[in-house]
Amino acid sequence: DAGVIQSPRHEVTEMGQEVTLRCKPISGHDYLFWYRQTMMRGLELLIYFNNNVPIDDSGMPEDRFSAKMPNASFSTLKIQPSEPRDSAVYFCASSSLLASSYNEQFFGPGTRLTVL
Amino acid sequence: AQSVTQLGSHVSVSEGALVLLRCNYSSSVPPYLFWYVQYPNQGLQLLLKYTSAATLVKGINGFEAEFKKSETSFHLTKPSAHMSDAAEYFCAVRRGSQGNLIFGKGTKLSVKP
Repeated sequence: DAGVIQSPRHEVTEMGQEVTLRCKPISGHDYLFWYRQTMMRGLELLIYFNNNVPIDDSGMPEDRFSAKMPNASFSTLKIQPSEPRDSAVYFCASSSLLASSYNEQFFGPGTRLTVL
Repeated sequence: AQSVTQLGSHVSVSEGALVLLRCNYSSSVPPYLFWYVQYPNQGLQLLLKYTSAATLVKGINGFEAEFKKSETSFHLTKPSAHMSDAAEYFCAVRRGSQGNLIFGKGTKLSVKP
């Protein structure tokens, strides 16, 4: 099992540029989560999907952030335009309520985003 | 509404000493509780989960946690700390029938030689 795959692992961009983060969940998992982690705010849930459908996006900070899940094996988190305060580590996680009633989440290695 | 509180943002122990990381939960229904560990520059890794089959739950790397309903606690312990245990530890509760987890603010564990 390859685990949750995220790309890129590191991204450095300039303010105003579009940033796209990618996630491939564990095969067979029906939940996918996007988190953001900063020193100031800790770990924040941005949005999560169930069976490719967004269930709760209340954590998405602004309209500059958008997330899609076009199929069960791929999701993107896009920031347009990016700002320095978006600098953080972004994690993707997946889980399966069918495989485990506890629905524990499995995290990817994260994407470290730096916006200059 | 479910929530978790981790007491102490930073805990420091000596190598070989007992590790105790505190977590209290708030839940109106039997909780789904988890402990995750995050090593530097890595994602979160599941340490253990409360399954209701036993109040004492054993996890990876010698860690265990005890569920105490009367105290609404799920503290994480390890009898003897190792240098490799230095990491940040997160307690989490699942939001009822929904899929998402609510994480505590984390406790950073330092281990002194």
